[in-house]
Amino acid sequence: EAQVTQNPRYLITVTGKKLTVTCSQNMNHEYMSWYRQDPGLGLRQIYYSMNVEVTDKGDVPEGYKVSRKEKRNFPLILESPSPNQTSLYFCASSITAGGRTDTQYFGPGTRLTVL
Amino acid sequence: QKEVEQDPGPLSVPEGAIVSLNCTYSNSAFQYFMWYRQYSRKGPELLMYTYSSGNKEDGRFTAQVDKSSKYISLFIRDSQPSDSATYLCAMIEGSNYKLTFGKGTLLTVNP
Repeated sequence: EAQVTQNPRYLITVTGKKLTVTCSQNMNHEYMSWYRQDPGLGLRQIYYSMNVEVTDKGDVPEGYKVSRKEKRNFPLILESPSPNQTSLYFCASSITAGGRTDTQYFGPGTRLTVL
Repeated sequence: QKEVEQDPGPLSVPEGAIVSLNCTYSNSAFQYFMWYRQYSRKGPELLMYTYSSGNKEDGRFTAQVDKSSKYISLFIRDSQPSDSATYLCAMIEGSNYKLTFGKGTLLTVNP
């Protein structure tokens, strides 16, 4: 079954404690992306990756890091989380950039709370 | 001005109604246009994509793009309670790969 998996699904942490949210896809997609979704602000792109070792900033990259060492995995790293990073995070993958001519598959989401 | 503006709703319609959802944009570099549907507590799922002005139809859904007016629409015919969800427009430039979403419109279709 084609899918994007994220872990953990729920996380409560404290300010400053480094964390990683993993994302994995089984469709051999080249394009992967991270988004955050906040009430009143909608879905905003954090980082995206066109292929292994190729990443670029989206609209809201501050406070986040990513890496793409393997095609299937695209972890999101918060080196020093702050309360304003409390949000619902989605990972997504597609064949073409942003799924502009194909389907972009979204993971189930990770709800992060930073105290 | 935000690059993509979407009618915020919420929108409540009776079953069987025709629904019109709209987005405007200011960035003339946007070349690809998509509509996503998001059910509560789920990730978005792609409904339709298009990259040319005009209409594109898929079952009960029609996506319309007017590049000259920088305006896109999604029409839902014979709306069903199962169409109740948040609908998000999304756009991407032709020269880069950054995706920009509208804030979404919450639609409720009442039986």
